[in-house]
Amino acid sequence: GQQLNQSPQSMFIQEGEDVSMNCTSSSIFNTWLWYKQDPGEGPVLLIALYKAGELTSNGRLTAQFGITRKDSFLNISASIPSDVGIYFCAGREWGGATNKLIFGTGTLLAVQP
Amino acid sequence: GAVVSQHPSWVICKSGTSVKIECRSLDFQATTMFWYRQFPKQSLMLMATSNEGSKATYEQGVEKDKFLINHASLTLSTLTVTSAHPEDSSFYICSASDRGGYEQYFGPGTRLTVT
Repeated sequence: GQQLNQSPQSMFIQEGEDVSMNCTSSSIFNTWLWYKQDPGEGPVLLIALYKAGELTSNGRLTAQFGITRKDSFLNISASIPSDVGIYFCAGREWGGATNKLIFGTGTLLAVQP
Repeated sequence: GAVVSQHPSWVICKSGTSVKIECRSLDFQATTMFWYRQFPKQSLMLMATSNEGSKATYEQGVEKDKFLINHASLTLSTLTVTSAHPEDSSFYICSASDRGGYEQYFGPGTRLTVT
């Protein structure tokens, strides 16, 4: 199935550092969502974006819906050990007939105390 | 709010048998439920979309006769893996969205191992 390009594939950082990851698509999206998945668990929704240019924060997390509608980024500030996990972007294509989401390839984040 | 549960959390079955996985929305009505499969170190791949009271829509390459989906109520969807084989071993995750919602809320997943 179709997937979004997500980068970086993995990140190994020190506690306290800021993190940035992004997602790009070849088609226009009208919704971008960011999820975090811990090992053996289902993804948990972090941030939802619905408008081009929208910038939304959730605690130390900030995400933006790109103005081209083809990309989104997620920033995590002052990382802590519990930020460890896999982060997925997901989007809904513009004009899509269903609420089906397309998922990114994931970014593995490791935080060293 | 927006809690989705799955049962069982893990299951081991013998090749050739069938396994049923339940997905429930606990505090909202899920007009649409989605079933995903995730292999180790990979992303989620959508298998099918089900709307309450109607037949599921399967993604290309997913055998509808092998992966039976029933969405009989606004809070329950089931996935039955029929005649399971070792290659069906995977992490199966459901998600649910309420009426008009684009956000999907995920269950904790079910680890299926076929021996």
